[in-house]
Amino acid sequence: DAKTTQPPSMDCAEGRAANLPCNHSTISGNEYVYWYRQIHSQGPQYIIHGLKNNETNEMASLIITEDRKSSTLILPHATLRDTAVYYCIVRGHGGATNKLIFGTGTLLAVQP
Amino acid sequence: DTGVSQDPRHKITKRGQNVTFRCDPISEHNRLYWYRQTLGQGPEFLTYFQNEAQLEKSRLLSDRFSAERPKGSFSTLEIQRTEQGDSAMYLCATRNNSGNTIYFGEGSWLTVV
Repeated sequence: DAKTTQPPSMDCAEGRAANLPCNHSTISGNEYVYWYRQIHSQGPQYIIHGLKNNETNEMASLIITEDRKSSTLILPHATLRDTAVYYCIVRGHGGATNKLIFGTGTLLAVQP
Repeated sequence: DTGVSQDPRHKITKRGQNVTFRCDPISEHNRLYWYRQTLGQGPEFLTYFQNEAQLEKSRLLSDRFSAERPKGSFSTLEIQRTEQGDSAMYLCATRNNSGNTIYFGEGSWLTVV
């Protein structure tokens, strides 16, 4: 079962920041927080991941709380092309399979 | 385009027929995953290969499903005697030994009529 809880849907105005929350209260010390997104009819796209420090790349920023029980993905200037389902996934490294276990994610609708 | 290639992208088949999907991973990615995704749900894990060895299979992978990776490069997923409930998108994903990021292909859509 997925170890994360996300709101089923969110709206955001084009050009504004989109802040997508995720709860992962049972996360283990060696587990990372991953974010993927899936645009309609396409395969999931990797966005970002982190362990405990905040992370930023060209796509987004990831803010992880100090107790690591929740995180927020930030898209700084949302565009219509950012409309997608966003998945927050907790995953360990170094094991045999290290598969991703998906929940149902958050459908982000960017409005013009 | 992540570099993970899947073929065919779309397949319509009659119930009871066999279908096969192919996945070509990113070069030098020795770890390969198959997932299935139905409408409104997140992808569900089916099976995992490290090189040519199939190391993990989900309970979702019934005896009508078989996956292979004979030379540790491309992989095939075959579904025998298809049923309407097999209609879904089948996703392939890969990663290499040193990296932890998993990259997905665009998926293969299966419709069983």
